[in-house]
Amino acid sequence: EPEVTQTPSHQVTQMGQEVILRCVPISNHLYFYWYRQILGQKVEFLVSFYNNEISEKSEIFDDQFSVERPDGSNFTLKIRSTKLEDSAMYFCATLQGTGTEAFFGQGTRLTVV
Amino acid sequence: ELKVEQNPLFLSMQEGKNYTIYCNYSTTSDRLYWYRQDPGKSLESLFVLLSNGAVKQEGRLMASLDTKARLSTLHITAAVHDLSATYFCAATLQGTYKYIFGTGTRLKVLA
Repeated sequence: EPEVTQTPSHQVTQMGQEVILRCVPISNHLYFYWYRQILGQKVEFLVSFYNNEISEKSEIFDDQFSVERPDGSNFTLKIRSTKLEDSAMYFCATLQGTGTEAFFGQGTRLTVV
Repeated sequence: ELKVEQNPLFLSMQEGKNYTIYCNYSTTSDRLYWYRQDPGKSLESLFVLLSNGAVKQEGRLMASLDTKARLSTLHITAAVHDLSATYFCAATLQGTYKYIFGTGTRLKVLA
């Protein structure tokens, strides 16, 4: 069964450092998302990406965050200067199109120390 | 702004019992989803509900959607320990594919 693959599974970083989280979407999917989940809390939308551009972003997704799909396969989330409160599980999700459900990757646990 | 609320937040139930989790959403939505999450794991898709009156069943779980009431339910029949997990509902605004998740219901089934 096709799946969304995320790397790394766990990343520990110093506050102020840049991190890049990577996602390989399911091959025929067109819509890509990043969500985050702070431990024990609900899943929060960060950004959606379609046709090589951001289609929507939340207020969480400030100037410290960026996304890109540089080579047509990997979909990345970059946090330029991490803060302690960025510690969370980050999920990539991809969607084929209308009427279908999003498939979520296994997540990257980001710990900022 | 679309808001999604679930209740209860926590549910502890005996094996063999039935219970319902409720998911309310604040504005018109054309799609409602249920996901299961085990501790430290990703989100597993359970149901996609696309129209008013939709009902879907898989094993001991049954989900329904009432778009007029802006309510979806996830009914658990004769619970077993393996159903212990956190269940999330999510809705999308018409015309978008952005998922707004509910707060989650942490279900614990006691043997």
